[in-house]
Amino acid sequence: KAGVTQTPRYLIKTRGQQVTLSCSPISGHRSVSWYQQTPGQGLQFLFEYFSETQRNKGNFPGRFSGRQFSNSRSEMNVSTLELGDSALYLCASSSQGSGRGETQYFGPGTRLLVL
Amino acid sequence: GENVEQHPSTLSVQEGDSAVIKCTYSDSASNYFPWYKQEPGKRPQLIIDIRSNVGEKKDQRIAVTLNKTAKHFSLHITETQPEDSAVYFCAASNSGYSTLTFGKGTMLLVSP
Repeated sequence: KAGVTQTPRYLIKTRGQQVTLSCSPISGHRSVSWYQQTPGQGLQFLFEYFSETQRNKGNFPGRFSGRQFSNSRSEMNVSTLELGDSALYLCASSSQGSGRGETQYFGPGTRLLVL
Repeated sequence: GENVEQHPSTLSVQEGDSAVIKCTYSDSASNYFPWYKQEPGKRPQLIIDIRSNVGEKKDQRIAVTLNKTAKHFSLHITETQPEDSAVYFCAASNSGYSTLTFGKGTMLLVSP
């Protein structure tokens, strides 16, 4: 099976702009989670989608949003970008979600730089 | 919510030595504990996981132990090799949530 893919891999934006990142899960996986990775904070959970519904949400401002399509592909959007949003954004997929003790498989990430 | 603490933040060992990374969690309902390895510029990859009905699990040179009473779990790497150098993350989740809460990571450096 093909692994989790993310596009684009690199992105440079300026403050105030918005950005959309895409994640394609492993075929058959219905759960997609998004994480923000920064050197000081490790991996912080943004939100999880399952069957097109947001099932869990982390402690991030409303500028961060997401959605999932019927084919399980997911997008996340960040509006009004701030310098502090510069990070590696990782998505991970699993069949039902890690709450069932399932492995989450990560994509390669999108590195976002906000200038 | 769940909180996972991971120690140490950096660990330097000589090739052939053992390395131990420890994590504690706060939610007694947590029942799944994976460990991920992330090499520079690469995605995190699962190296071993343990569920709450098991106290220890081994896979070749790596092992994980779980103490539910004390709410801590540890990663043990024996006979370390330079290619073990990476950042290691522990995580926890429970059946009430579909997400993982990660520790902040341990940078393991194995010197030849």
